[in-house]
Amino acid sequence: GAVVSQHPSRVICKSGTSVKIECRSLDFQATTMFWYRQFPKQSLMLMATSNEGSKATYEQGVEKDKFLINHASLTLSTLTVTSAHPEDSSFYICSAPGASYEQYFGPGTRLTVT
Amino acid sequence: AQKVTQAQTEISVVEKEDVTLDCVYETRDTTYYLFWYKQPPSGELVFLIRRNSFDEQNEISGRYSWNFQKSTSSFNFTITASQVVDSAVYFCALIERGSTLGRLYFGRGTQLTVWP
Repeated sequence: GAVVSQHPSRVICKSGTSVKIECRSLDFQATTMFWYRQFPKQSLMLMATSNEGSKATYEQGVEKDKFLINHASLTLSTLTVTSAHPEDSSFYICSAPGASYEQYFGPGTRLTVT
Repeated sequence: AQKVTQAQTEISVVEKEDVTLDCVYETRDTTYYLFWYKQPPSGELVFLIRRNSFDEQNEISGRYSWNFQKSTSSFNFTITASQVVDSAVYFCALIERGSTLGRLYFGRGTQLTVWP
């Protein structure tokens, strides 16, 4: 089946720094990718929809200047958490849809901001 | 309003017991897709099943079975003879055909703990 990778799987950074997370579709092209955030013991919350060649669409309450999304190619979307703070510590998951409404998830990135 | 409701936050059972995880959804679309995912402690989501709105047949896969009832907008998941390895968080999710391709609405999840 289709595979989506994420890098890094874990990252620890200091407060105030920026962190970039990559999401790649390895064997298929994805014009759309989704970024989710999951806090401990909570559900996945959609942050934004990443669109190849155009601006991302952010969900209500998500700061677009803080969570920069770039969909540079048909196989790569990046999420950059700018000026990270401890409250940004979370599990970030990306996904890419298949042609028939199936959904392929990356393995997730655990971000810890100290 | 919540599109997907998983009323059970946590369930604990002893190994070999059967357990049913409930899922109720809400949508105005006539075409939609329902999913179940398993999330073990590692965090990676494991796909279990996808069901489209026109297929109400129940499905069985080994110890897993799913009961889709459009009349009650429910898509319940049963694990028969549970095992310790079934311990995980299980999410029910919905895609509406009228939404952006692939936009999933997740329930809040049910933490299943199976004790030996």
